[in-house]
Amino acid sequence: GAVVSQHPSRVICKSGTSVKIECRSLDFQATTMFWYRQFPKQSLMLMATSNEGSKATYEQGVEKDKFLINHASLTLSTLTVTSAHPEDSSFYICAQLAGDGTGELFFGEGSRLTVL
Amino acid sequence: GQQVMQIPQYQHVQEGEDFTTYCNSSTTLSNIQWYKQRPGGHPVFLIQLVKSGEVKKQKRLTFQFGEAKKNSSLHITATQTTDVGTYFCAEDNYGQNFVFGPGTRLSVLP
Repeated sequence: GAVVSQHPSRVICKSGTSVKIECRSLDFQATTMFWYRQFPKQSLMLMATSNEGSKATYEQGVEKDKFLINHASLTLSTLTVTSAHPEDSSFYICAQLAGDGTGELFFGEGSRLTVL
Repeated sequence: GQQVMQIPQYQHVQEGEDFTTYCNSSTTLSNIQWYKQRPGGHPVFLIQLVKSGEVKKQKRLTFQFGEAKKNSSLHITATQTTDVGTYFCAEDNYGQNFVFGPGTRLSVLP
């Protein structure tokens, strides 16, 4: 079964609004959650790494004020796309490390955002 | 930051043919992981290679890690339509972050 539950799977919003995406860890506690963005037929681009109880670490070129990440508990990390614009339309996907130290990444199902 | 490159970008094969994708880095990798993403789906972990020269097999899939730990390959023997998807290599940079290669998109013609 799914280790990471992500929702919503699809969201359509108007330009200028904010959208929140949630990722919940189901099988074990996630100290660290990775957030990726994937444009059609492209690779996964790491946006930020969120750590429970502390500020997220953003990759170069990712606006932290636009992509707000909150990791308030060991089982929940959220990504909020603020003041969304059409160019923010993409597939956003979270991932967490396996709790057994194998280094395996478990991905959520992904959230497809369309900004009109 | 570190970068991993993959070739080819696309591969179309007839069902039953073999397929290989290659992953290359200009720097020594701590380890290499391989993921498969089906169309419309999310990436799924296939395997992790850690040791220099390591070879691992999973049924029809053979994974290799180069002696210098700068390259890796995934080989599929006798492809099936269920093998369709994009195959990504990724490095975890000693657990700090995960960087994915651009992927190889495989299509299998029945």
